[in-house]
Amino acid sequence: KNEVEQSPQNLTAQEGEFITINCSYSVGISALHWLQQHPGGGIVSLFMLSSGKKKHGRLIATINIQEKHSSLHITASHPRDSAVYICAVSGNQFYFGTGTSLTVIP
Amino acid sequence: NAGVTQTPKFQVLKTGQSMTLQCAQDMNHEYMSWYRQDPGMGLRLIHYSVGAGITDQGEVPNGYNVSRSTTEDFPLRLLSAAPSQTSVYFCASSYSQRNTEAFFGQGTRLTVV
Repeated sequence: KNEVEQSPQNLTAQEGEFITINCSYSVGISALHWLQQHPGGGIVSLFMLSSGKKKHGRLIATINIQEKHSSLHITASHPRDSAVYICAVSGNQFYFGTGTSLTVIP
Repeated sequence: NAGVTQTPKFQVLKTGQSMTLQCAQDMNHEYMSWYRQDPGMGLRLIHYSVGAGITDQGEVPNGYNVSRSTTEDFPLRLLSAAPSQTSVYFCASSYSQRNTEAFFGQGTRLTVV
């Protein structure tokens, strides 16, 4: 059973491109989280949202509660954005997607 | 604030050995948890705690023990290591299970040979 589904699994983009990563979930949630994991590194929280939209620099996260769907957008992508992006939802516990591996080519 | 401190970063064990992964947080978080991360799978919950003295099992608890004697510390013990426990382990903490940001340790890459 996969409570959280992400797409795509892998993504390669040219520097400067606009990137979208999608997340769908099937459980009731109190919040949705977008996390970033660099190769060999720890996991960092990018966003926590329960409605609407949030923006940090070039990153934008949106959520549609009715459709149980969220998107993470990266504008003007840069090689340093190369990482695995993980969608997670929290309710009674955390459920995690399998991650989207993003590579941005200079 | 140091956040979540997890040690060691790397460890190699022989089958049958035991060890403890340490996790400490200085944010006075009540909720702490341990996950394992395997290729092609999302993070899976091993054990969690909602406060000092309270622990419970997650999705994959077999072969692991935890205790929570203080708010700050939540060690994970491997009782008798098996190759199937080769994985990357993450400790996380948050104020609660719901609607709060989660903070993760740097991870422990464990290999059991």
